[in-house]
Amino acid sequence: AQKVTQAQTEISVVEKEDVTLDCVYETRDTTYYLFWYKQPPSGELVFLIRRNSFDEQNEISGRYSWNFQKSTSSFNFTITASQVVDSAVYFCALSEAGIQGAQKLVFGQGTRLTINP
Amino acid sequence: DAGVTQSPTHLIKTRGQQVTLRCSPKSGHDTVSWYQQALGQGPQFIFQYYEEEERQRGNFPDRFSGHQFPNYSSELNVNALLLGDSALYLCASSLGGWVYEQYFGPGTRLTVT
Repeated sequence: AQKVTQAQTEISVVEKEDVTLDCVYETRDTTYYLFWYKQPPSGELVFLIRRNSFDEQNEISGRYSWNFQKSTSSFNFTITASQVVDSAVYFCALSEAGIQGAQKLVFGQGTRLTINP
Repeated sequence: DAGVTQSPTHLIKTRGQQVTLRCSPKSGHDTVSWYQQALGQGPQFIFQYYEEEERQRGNFPDRFSGHQFPNYSSELNVNALLLGDSALYLCASSLGGWVYEQYFGPGTRLTVT
């Protein structure tokens, strides 16, 4: 069965510190996709990144970077030089090919990140 | 380019009542998924609609039903409301294939009293 675990429930850091959010997943499929979403206080989930199971290359987008390691079933997210605007709940999610090609996202419990000025 | 829209924003209902939530997908998207997010939890998949058919369903009772219209918009209906149905209901839209990312709307906050 699919499962996503975000062991860090809450993280609090001071602005400009680097912070890493952990994500560990379980799946029996060899083909799957991993995602990160940000949920600010407004409630809307904002898509950050998608990674397929065949591409283990790390990705960097500005202050954000992602480290995908199949050997440890992890897909960690690092924010460099954090800013107050990064404060939000962050979700890691997993998707396998479902019935008739449907996509069911399985989410972790989320990590609440607070960046203090 | 309009994103995913949902209505209403907030809703208060009484136990036993029925509720209908609405969603309009992002322009160009043909697939709509619904999720329930309880306070402090990650979203839970309810079901997904494509070509006006329910394509996959999560572990939710039959009290939860849906519909997709020819213009790809969708409704989520919940009958015989329970206190435990209080949650944020999120609609997400995407292209038809499972490899694409889902874009979420702002949600409908349902409170059952």
